[in-house]
Amino acid sequence: DAKTTQPPSMDCAEGRAANLPCNHSTISGNEYVYWYRQIHSQGPQYIIHGLKNNETNEMASLIITEDRKSSTLILPHATLRDTAVYYCIVTPSRAGANNLFFGTGTRLTVIP
Amino acid sequence: NAGVTQTPKFRILKIGQSMTLQCTQDMNHNYMYWYRQDPGMGLKLIYYSVGAGITDKGEVPNGYNVSRSTTEDFPLRLELAAPSQTSVYFCASRNRDRSFYEQYFGPGTRLTVT
Repeated sequence: DAKTTQPPSMDCAEGRAANLPCNHSTISGNEYVYWYRQIHSQGPQYIIHGLKNNETNEMASLIITEDRKSSTLILPHATLRDTAVYYCIVTPSRAGANNLFFGTGTRLTVIP
Repeated sequence: NAGVTQTPKFRILKIGQSMTLQCTQDMNHNYMYWYRQDPGMGLKLIYYSVGAGITDKGEVPNGYNVSRSTTEDFPLRLELAAPSQTSVYFCASRNRDRSFYEQYFGPGTRLTVT
């Protein structure tokens, strides 16, 4: 699986867009980009995933560069409840996977 | 939809006691999973199930048992609790038509064994 690099921490003002980058320069053609978050003392939460095209759902948008070597998760209007650790995972969508490995992620703090 | 629900939220056990952690999902997901997460660490898969009546071991199954009699419920049984089982336990589920990496988690059960 491709390695990902994320900044360890970021701050964002409440109500502003939070842009969380992820570098995955060794990604291969069949590997997807997934994003999860874990709010303190809660279970991990799936946010969004994509392969090549930009994706949007009710929680966030995912922008993947044309060369697919990096991506950005965008929370359009961050709230205090979005304070969490955000994890970018790059992985083939294949059978046989038997564990979720999140790495160290980015700790996002939304400031009032 | 309530999603994935877990009970209890917290529990303190004495060494040697037993308990069952409950997990229910209302999304009609075929696949269900039990993980443990130790402080500051990642998830470790304990057991999983691909459907009612079918269960299989994950990375760290020793000291635990599961059953899957219905699509909705996937209880985790701890027999003879040990301090090493102090952890936060998460249940998760996914639709069989979706990737392994698109899982939906419950809020967790924080277990302390003393």
